[in-house]
Amino acid sequence: GGIITQTPKFLIGQEGQKLTLKCQQNFNHDTMYWYRQDSGKGLRLIYYSITENDLQKGDLSEGYDASREKKSSFSLTVTSAQKNEMAVFLCASSIGLGEETLYFGSGTRLTVL
Amino acid sequence: GDSVTQTEGPVTLSEGTSLTVNCSYETKQYPTLFWYVQYPGEGPQLLFKVPKANEKGSSRGFEATYNKEATSFHLQKASVQESDSAVYYCALRNRGSALGRLHFGAGTQLIVIP
Repeated sequence: GGIITQTPKFLIGQEGQKLTLKCQQNFNHDTMYWYRQDSGKGLRLIYYSITENDLQKGDLSEGYDASREKKSSFSLTVTSAQKNEMAVFLCASSIGLGEETLYFGSGTRLTVL
Repeated sequence: GDSVTQTEGPVTLSEGTSLTVNCSYETKQYPTLFWYVQYPGEGPQLLFKVPKANEKGSSRGFEATYNKEATSFHLQKASVQESDSAVYYCALRNRGSALGRLHFGAGTQLIVIP
């Protein structure tokens, strides 16, 4: 088995601040994802990465940057935090192409003051 | 575009009663359908998936049938337990879509009272 570790678990920032969320996986999976979870809105894809150094925009990429520095890690940056961005951010990974399962981390809860 | 609509929560049930969470989907392609479950403090995890129409998926006493004619994938369990309290997400992915483009429903929170 493997695990996805997201840090920090809780992140508090000021409006306008640049904030970075980190994700590590030891599944040796090729593909990684960032989802945003808002109550009543389900999970929305922000960015994904098919392999190291690859980045693909999802449905909600505006206001975010991402970086896939190496196969095991995928970070997400909120470029200018806004109060309406308070949500849980979930990182996930999958083996690669095909109808595979996504494995999720337990999330980072972002609060913007 | 693709979309998934599911029962609005929270759904509150007593232990031992039956559960149905409705899931309807819209797509012009041929999807694989999923149910994910998210327990408190954890990330979502796959409950089961069904790639073909008219087939049934099941796990942990939960089941759902891929009904292509009705475009539905309702989740059912005959007798819920307190440990089933969680948020349940219905999702689809089209085989022709970009990798990882799961489309999730809004989620249904299930609360089971002992």
